[in-house]
Amino acid sequence: QQPVQSPQAVILREGEDAVINCSSSKALYSVHWYRQKHGEAPVFLMILLKGGEQKGHEKISASFNEKKQQSSLYLTASQLSYSGTYFCGTEKGGAQKLVFGQGTRLTINP
Amino acid sequence: NAGVMQNPRHLVRRRGQEARLRCSPMKGHSHVYWYRQLPEEGLKFMVYLQKENIIDESGMPKERFSAEFPKEGPSILRIQQVVRGDSAAYFCASSPNLAGASDTQYFGPGTRLTVL
Repeated sequence: QQPVQSPQAVILREGEDAVINCSSSKALYSVHWYRQKHGEAPVFLMILLKGGEQKGHEKISASFNEKKQQSSLYLTASQLSYSGTYFCGTEKGGAQKLVFGQGTRLTINP
Repeated sequence: NAGVMQNPRHLVRRRGQEARLRCSPMKGHSHVYWYRQLPEEGLKFMVYLQKENIIDESGMPKERFSAEFPKEGPSILRIQQVVRGDSAAYFCASSPNLAGASDTQYFGPGTRLTVL
């Protein structure tokens, strides 16, 4: 039931782009994306509902393909502050628990 | 507007003692979720509560763990007779009351439990 994230880790130079994928074997109602820095709480990035919508603000955006049960997070022109572990949380129905992937560790070097 | 609050932030217990973790949701939020995170791992759902009701406890271990969210006061996650394997970060999240709707969960800073 746990969604699978890929890649597990990625190292970039500042200014490069990254894509993080989240795949589920179950039908999904929504996908939630969070970023967590070491020793801190997960910080909400965005939520995508079924319907194939794409959301984003500034240089971080995401898509949700309901038919493929996949979501992708896009980070454009990465900044040092983007470093951290990114988690997708999937939800089977409204107002329910989130099942998180194992995380993708993103390191941005100057 | 204060965010989700958790206390204590760090808790050290010896094996066999009890641990009580507290969570105050954001103002206006009536849904509370508890998650556990082992070092270098992802977040694992434990329990979902609304005021005075447990909605989903499918992630709670059958023994020693309990949770409540009373009409007044914070939500409490209680671990009895702690063992070393209970050492983890415990996060609480809250969301508003939008029945049947997918809703953003905002996380608190977590309580880091260490069992000696």
